[in-house]
Amino acid sequence: EPEVTQTPSHQVTQMGQEVILRCVPISNHLYFYWYRQILGQKVEFLVSFYNNEISEKSEIFDDQFSVERPDGSNFTLKIRSTKLEDSAMYFCASSETSPAGSQYFGPGTRLLVL
Amino acid sequence: QKEVEQNSGPLSVPEGAIASLNCTYSDRGSQSFFWYRQYSGKSPELIMFIYSNGDKEDGRFTAQLNKASQYVSLLIRDSQPSDSATYLCAVNGGDSNYQLIWGAGTKLIIKP
Repeated sequence: EPEVTQTPSHQVTQMGQEVILRCVPISNHLYFYWYRQILGQKVEFLVSFYNNEISEKSEIFDDQFSVERPDGSNFTLKIRSTKLEDSAMYFCASSETSPAGSQYFGPGTRLLVL
Repeated sequence: QKEVEQNSGPLSVPEGAIASLNCTYSDRGSQSFFWYRQYSGKSPELIMFIYSNGDKEDGRFTAQLNKASQYVSLLIRDSQPSDSATYLCAVNGGDSNYQLIWGAGTKLIIKP
């Protein structure tokens, strides 16, 4: 069964450093998303991406965040200058044809900023 | 502020019984409703989706939607210990096709 994959599974970084989180969405899916979940809290939407551009972003997704689809398979989230409060699980998701359709999640990257 | 509300639980149900999980949402324009299961330390796993008023059944799971009351529920029949997890309700924003708004989840414990 096709699945979303994410790398790395864990990332530890120093405050102020840049990190890149990588995702490979399900191959025939057209809509891609990043979410985060701080430990013990709700899942929060960050950004959606369709047709090689951001389709929607939340207030969390400020100038320190960026997304890219550098090739036909990868979808990345870059955090330029990490802060302590960026420590969270970051989930990539994808959906097939409709943006309001079912979103399938990857296993997540646990980011710890020290 | 669009909200999705769930009782945090824990909800304790005997094995073999029916577990009933509830969710309310604030945005009347919401069109798509999802139930995800999340085991501790894992990612959300899609269980059910529902778009129309009424019931939708898939195996042991039934999703129920009442748009007039802004209420969506998930029933799990013949509950198994492996159903023990946190169940997340997610709703698409009425003015947004892309963003899912999430409840905090209900922790379900199935007692053998």
